[in-house]
Amino acid sequence: EVQLLESGGGLVQPGGSLRLSCAASGFTFSSYAMSWVRQAPGKGLEWVSTISGSGAGTYYADSVKGRFTISRDNSKNTLYLQMNSLRAEDTALYYCAKTIYYDGTGSVCDYWGQGTLLTVSS
Amino acid sequence: QSALTQPASVSGSPGQSITISCTGTSSDVGGYNYVSWYQQHPGKAPKLMIYEVSNRPSGVSNRFSGSKSGNTASLTISGLQAEDEADYYCSSYRSSSTVFGTGTKVTVL
Repeated sequence: EVQLLESGGGLVQPGGSLRLSCAASGFTFSSYAMSWVRQAPGKGLEWVSTISGSGAGTYYADSVKGRFTISRDNSKNTLYLQMNSLRAEDTALYYCAKTIYYDGTGSVCDYWGQGTLLTVSS
Repeated sequence: QSALTQPASVSGSPGQSITISCTGTSSDVGGYNYVSWYQQHPGKAPKLMIYEVSNRPSGVSNRFSGSKSGNTASLTISGLQAEDEADYYCSSYRSSSTVFGTGTKVTVL
């Protein structure tokens, strides 16, 4: 059974940093690209970033480019999202998701975690 | 990155069919066959319902079908059931990125 367990969310001041983690199990982690998708309270889904199975390819939404860094440790079956220079508009539930592809082409997510909440506020 | 355009709400009676549209441009929906649809119930994670325009993942009811014409993709739910009441989002590949639709709330009358 595929399981994705996010952690690391919390309350951060504007300008601060935080790292999210996603522990994966139940599939060959290194064979699939992984994505982060966020959802602000009461709002729609927003794609944040995708990383290829090898980690060599990384892709970002314009809204986070230069501030967020996606990475993975295939030996630990863990996905990360390092978030710097956080803004109030980054407040959202952050979902970790497995894609159906190896590379970053078209982030089609077939399994999702339950999300971890980030609140950016002073 | 502007979102794909979906109607805010669509409703139908049990047993009826409804269609949700997802309008983009030739740079996303119209340019690639990487259109997906997700269902999200309140307080739950999204669920993949359709990928690559018209493919259903294993376990998804065949009452859900997808299609595309030009820059507009569509999700049709036939034989509408109470459990289909949820929010639905389309998404598409767009030049090394992914874009979601604005979301549609489906109400079963």
